[in-house]
Amino acid sequence: QVQLQESGPGLVKPSETLSLTCIVSGDSMRNYYWSWIRQPPGKGLECIGYIYYSGSTTYNPSLESRVTISVDTSKNQFSLKLNSVTAADTAVYYCARHHYYGSVFSFDYWGQGTLVTVSS
Amino acid sequence: DIQMTQSPSSLSASVGDRVTITCRASQSISNYLNWYQQKPGKAPKFLIYAASSLQSGVPSRFSGSGSGTDFTLTISSLQPEDFATYYCQQSYSNPRTFGQGTKVEIK
Repeated sequence: QVQLQESGPGLVKPSETLSLTCIVSGDSMRNYYWSWIRQPPGKGLECIGYIYYSGSTTYNPSLESRVTISVDTSKNQFSLKLNSVTAADTAVYYCARHHYYGSVFSFDYWGQGTLVTVSS
Repeated sequence: DIQMTQSPSSLSASVGDRVTITCRASQSISNYLNWYQQKPGKAPKFLIYAASSLQSGVPSRFSGSGSGTDFTLTISSLQPEDFATYYCQQSYSNPRTFGQGTKVEIK
């Protein structure tokens, strides 16, 4: 059973960089895509981007100028950096596996989520 | 970006009711459509892929249909554990986008 666990600071100051890590257990990261999704309090879900185990990335154009997703398969983890944060970046951040089902990509395994608040 | 619009935004139903949620895409997405269930304080749970295929372990009272721009999620007989928010999500193009959610509440 694949398990994902997010970790990182719960409070980030405006204009600084949000950094989160997702540790993957229960399976290899090879041959899969790994994603970050966020959910502002009381609102819907937004896909930030995803990375293939080999390192190729796809970002949401609305965030692309501020986002970096990286992967370290030797540690079975991947990371998110979001710079120049504002209060609008306050959200629960989820990591998830992005995998083919019947030729359709889906988010099949999710971490429990971590709340990141942007405030001075 | 492909916009996903769900209706209704919320609904009240009783245990045993048949519930239908609609999801409309702003352009054709073939069958590149997934459904998720989210309970308060929890991560979304993957229910249905490719518009109509049930993920392993998901009860058969859940079903999905549709293709192109119009899709539905149906719960044939609502159970107490089904009260939650449901999201559709398209994987036709990037960025992946979700509907705004439909909250299923107890009547």
